[in-house]
Amino acid sequence: DTGVSQDPRHKITKRGQNVTFRCDPISEHNRLYWYRQTLGQGPEFLTYFQNEAQLEKSRLLSDRFSAERPKGSFSTLEIQRTEQGDSAMYLCASSLVEANTEAFFGQGTRLTVV
Amino acid sequence: AQSVTQLGSHVSVSEGALVLLRCNYSSSVPPYLFWYVQYPNQGLQLLLKYTSAATLVKGINGFEAEFKKSETSFHLTKPSAHMSDAAEYFCAVKGSNFGNEKLTFGTGTRLTIIP
Repeated sequence: DTGVSQDPRHKITKRGQNVTFRCDPISEHNRLYWYRQTLGQGPEFLTYFQNEAQLEKSRLLSDRFSAERPKGSFSTLEIQRTEQGDSAMYLCASSLVEANTEAFFGQGTRLTVV
Repeated sequence: AQSVTQLGSHVSVSEGALVLLRCNYSSSVPPYLFWYVQYPNQGLQLLLKYTSAATLVKGINGFEAEFKKSETSFHLTKPSAHMSDAAEYFCAVKGSNFGNEKLTFGTGTRLTIIP
């Protein structure tokens, strides 16, 4: 297993278009997280899943954002009607259930909205 | 609720010198603390973590950090800087109570190594 995998690594889209990102977690990890990182800032929590259940969503996750993890394995993050302010690095992470375990991050998807 | 303050958005040290990156946290419950490193256009890699065992934690690449509850600090140190240490470093906190799953990150410290 090579770790958390994200696809695509880079995405350039026009304002108003929809985009979808995919994350494949480490296979035995049942928790999956999405974070957003803007330039010069630390990552900010968006949402997380335990298996297929979405257990928490941040206020940052507006109605234009939706995340799914249909079979408790990979996850998708969709942004509808993209805005320039959505330009950021979108990071996926996964972990085991135990609270004292760390999250392992993917390489991220860099979104640029033009 | 949790928060993290990283003092110094940019730190420069000479190759071979001591590296000290500061992190102070706030948490309403006993915290778990983490240091991550990020290279340009990459994801985050865990350097070390504190999860209520030993207060002095050793990580990868010669880094270590000490949890000081009285000072609410978790500073990252390395005795001798190497050119490959140049990167962005993030301190993060999460609560140790069940159901408190999200990491809260600081704004990061960019470490530059001077040859």
